[in-house]
Amino acid sequence: GAGVSQSPRYKVAKRGQDVALRCDPISGHVSLFWYQQALGQGPEFLTYFQNEAQLDKSGLPSDRFFAERPEGSVSTLKIQRTQQEDSAVYLCASCTGSFGIDTIYFGEGSWLTVV
Amino acid sequence: AQKVTQAQTEISVVEKEDVTLDCVYETRDTTYYLFWYKQPPSGELVFLIRRNSFDEQNEISGRYSWNFQKSTSSFNFTITASQVVDSAVYFCALRGGSIKAAGNKLTFGGGTRVLVKP
Repeated sequence: GAGVSQSPRYKVAKRGQDVALRCDPISGHVSLFWYQQALGQGPEFLTYFQNEAQLDKSGLPSDRFFAERPEGSVSTLKIQRTQQEDSAVYLCASCTGSFGIDTIYFGEGSWLTVV
Repeated sequence: AQKVTQAQTEISVVEKEDVTLDCVYETRDTTYYLFWYKQPPSGELVFLIRRNSFDEQNEISGRYSWNFQKSTSSFNFTITASQVVDSAVYFCALRGGSIKAAGNKLTFGGGTRVLVKP
């Protein structure tokens, strides 16, 4: 597709369960971002990839969160031992390069509910 | 550190009224980029505009217009003659101009929910 694609769109997980969220960025986009958006708030940065290199993971809230992009295209965000506070929308985004001028395009998000 | 503040949490207007969304930002970067995104109920963040810090010219695109004032660190957004389809949450965001990794991320404001009633 032409845009950023994320799956699953909706996920309900029991507390303690592991989840994996997938992101398929726009073809050819070097940079990929993950953001977390809690209900009623703005998105908050989690991590950033330039190709396969994870250059910034300063926003990951705990060591239960792990992201990878092994071949520089598709990325997976994994959350281990989910907690209720992990309930949020997880947004993936991509852009062509790594400069501030580049516009970042977002997917529709993966809505995670932990019960 | 970068910060974006959208003081208005929700604005309700009647169709055809104009609505202005405020955005105030803080950054130490000398070069930076400001964005507005629209988030409809589907959840996707839709890009509306990017403004460079060195270009203070205001911009108009159809019913949308933006007023960038560097002196007051503000980047306000006006929807003229609002329509029901404009109902959404609107986010202002800031991105530093540094090519360092930390400078690439977007910092978002809390968003303003716009409700346009018929």
